Amino acid sequence: AQSVTQPDIHITVSEGASLELRCNYSYGATPYLFWYVQSPGQGLQLLLKYFSGDTLVQGIKGFEAEFKRSQSSFNLRKPSVHWSDAAEYFCAVDTNAGKSTFGDGTTLTVKP
Amino acid sequence: DGGITQSPKYLFRKEGQNVTLSCEQNLNHDAMYWYRQDPGQGLRLIYYSQIVNDFQKGDIAEGYSVSREKKESFPLTVTSAQKNPTAFYLCAASGGRNQPQHFGDGTRLSIL
Repeated sequence: AQSVTQPDIHITVSEGASLELRCNYSYGATPYLFWYVQSPGQGLQLLLKYFSGDTLVQGIKGFEAEFKRSQSSFNLRKPSVHWSDAAEYFCAVDTNAGKSTFGDGTTLTVKP
Repeated sequence: DGGITQSPKYLFRKEGQNVTLSCEQNLNHDAMYWYRQDPGQGLRLIYYSQIVNDFQKGDIAEGYSVSREKKESFPLTVTSAQKNPTAFYLCAASGGRNQPQHFGDGTRLSIL
């Protein structure tokens, strides 16, 4: 069965600093991977997705993620964090059963 | 604008009462989903539907029921059998297998 692990429950970074959020997945076939962001009291918004091809994918709001098959990872990065990036971030893997499995999320706090 | 509309935003239930959460989409997507979100637990799948008049149980279906009579609508009923219904409920839709999901802004259910 597929699974997604986000090892960091909470991360704090200073505004302007770089960010990396970790995601590890377990899935037997070629994964379809997603990163979503959730602001308090709202739904999730898609940041980026990986289906195939180039392992470095670009998303909205200046985010990017790199797929590393050898490490079963799909880490999210941003070179310079803004205060508005404070939110909860979810990694997800899609299966051919037509449903996604989500990680437990990482809460990002941005210090001024 | 195309999207997912959930209503109401806040809902209160008395003991022994069934309540229904509304989810409507105008994205013309075939697949729809209901998730429950509790603090620190990420998203847990309650039910999903890949086509009209068909739906499948997710990981935590006990105490919940759904219907899919129209493509654009996927209401969730929280029955009195659900002993711990207090949570944030999210509805989503997608264009099919391995496609990203579009989320509504959620309904927060509380017990009086």
